[in-house]
Amino acid sequence: NAGVTQTPKFQVLKTGQSMTLQCAQDMNHNSMYWYRQDPGMGLRLIYYSASEGTTDKGEVPNGYNVSRLNKREFSLRLESAAPSQTSVYFCASSVRTATDTQYFGPGTRLTVL
Amino acid sequence: GESVGLHLPTLSVQEGDNSIINCAYSNSASDYFIWYKQESGKGPQFIIDIRSNMDKRQGQRVTVLLNKTVKHLSLQIAATQPGDSAVYFCAETENYGQNFVFGPGTRLSVLP
Repeated sequence: NAGVTQTPKFQVLKTGQSMTLQCAQDMNHNSMYWYRQDPGMGLRLIYYSASEGTTDKGEVPNGYNVSRLNKREFSLRLESAAPSQTSVYFCASSVRTATDTQYFGPGTRLTVL
Repeated sequence: GESVGLHLPTLSVQEGDNSIINCAYSNSASDYFIWYKQESGKGPQFIIDIRSNMDKRQGQRVTVLLNKTVKHLSLQIAATQPGDSAVYFCAETENYGQNFVFGPGTRLSVLP
């Protein structure tokens, strides 16, 4: 089992560019999450998906869109990147609910110039 | 590794000593709490959780204490080892919901 995988590991964008962060899990989990982590701050939830076909906003959804492509994959898209979106992005999954153990991917470090 | 945690408080302990990491939470209605460990360049890893109807829970070498009166959570690590060096942070949620509030973390440094 690879667990939760994320691609790419690093990315540099110019302001206004778009990109999609990919996340996949092989644990047959129902719920998947996208977080961002900024220096000196805790993780903040961007979007989550409680099951295939559903997505919901978290604490900081502005500037992002998500797609739950199937049970395994949950992607995060930045349509027009801004320097404020420079962060480390983590994907996570859990069996069913947020109080089930969340398993995190290794993260994507994104820099927007 | 990632640059997160550059300005975090740091706790330095001698190998073999016990460590106590503290977390003050803000929402008196929070009813579920988790401690995570994050090693450099990796995603957070679940350590232990506790529900608000408990004040203490023990795992392997770790104990979480919850004081709801003063909204304080602590993580105790017994016989701290070099492999325990990491950033530790707490998370809280209300009504066992999806929207956890995460603390910024404390960096634990284990001295040989």
